[in-house]
Amino acid sequence: NAGVMQNPRHLVRRRGQEARLRCSPMKGHSHVYWYRQLPEEGLKFMVYLQKENIIDESGMPKERFSAEFPKEGPSILRIQQVVRGDSAAYFCASSPGGGAADTQYFGPGTRLTVL
Amino acid sequence: AQKITQTQPGMFVQEKEAVTLDCTYDTSDPSYGLFWYKQPSSGEMIFLIYQGSYDQQNATEGRYSLNFQKARKSANLVISASQLGDSAMYFCAMRERVSGGYNKLIFGAGTRLAVHP
Repeated sequence: NAGVMQNPRHLVRRRGQEARLRCSPMKGHSHVYWYRQLPEEGLKFMVYLQKENIIDESGMPKERFSAEFPKEGPSILRIQQVVRGDSAAYFCASSPGGGAADTQYFGPGTRLTVL
Repeated sequence: AQKITQTQPGMFVQEKEAVTLDCTYDTSDPSYGLFWYKQPSSGEMIFLIYQGSYDQQNATEGRYSLNFQKARKSANLVISASQLGDSAMYFCAMRERVSGGYNKLIFGAGTRLAVHP
């Protein structure tokens, strides 16, 4: 039973390029959360999606960042025109439902480095 | 606003001994959940243990137990019989209930635990 999968595990981009981070939730999970972890800090919520819907994007910067979770395929976090401050670990988590009792299971993260 | 505080940036413990990692929280919501995650040097986030605010007993999972003191708003993680593989970063998190019925997690800054042989 595969867990949450993220790829790539490491991504290096130059300033101004685009970064695309992928997340495949656990089998049977239809709820996806994205979190960002800056160096030496805890994780911060970015966005919550269900299939084909963004439910809560209150933690995501208004510009350059976008997320989607299509009917088929993985969830994608897209960062356009990356800057050095975007360097961080980006974690995806999934849960079977959005209910209060549902534990979120995390993927291994994607470490983005912006040169 | 909801908040999680971990006041110990670093802790060390001797192998085979027990260690307590502190976590305090602040919320006005009577229904909440508290989680502990482990992040080893490889970077993944591993779920350890969960405590619901209405749970009557402290949660336990193997060598992990949660010392839940509701009146003091603390949810300390106790690791018994420490092993070298327990060396990692540990995060306390609280479920923030949102009006839509889903939940998102608020994390503390973490405690780095080093287990010495």
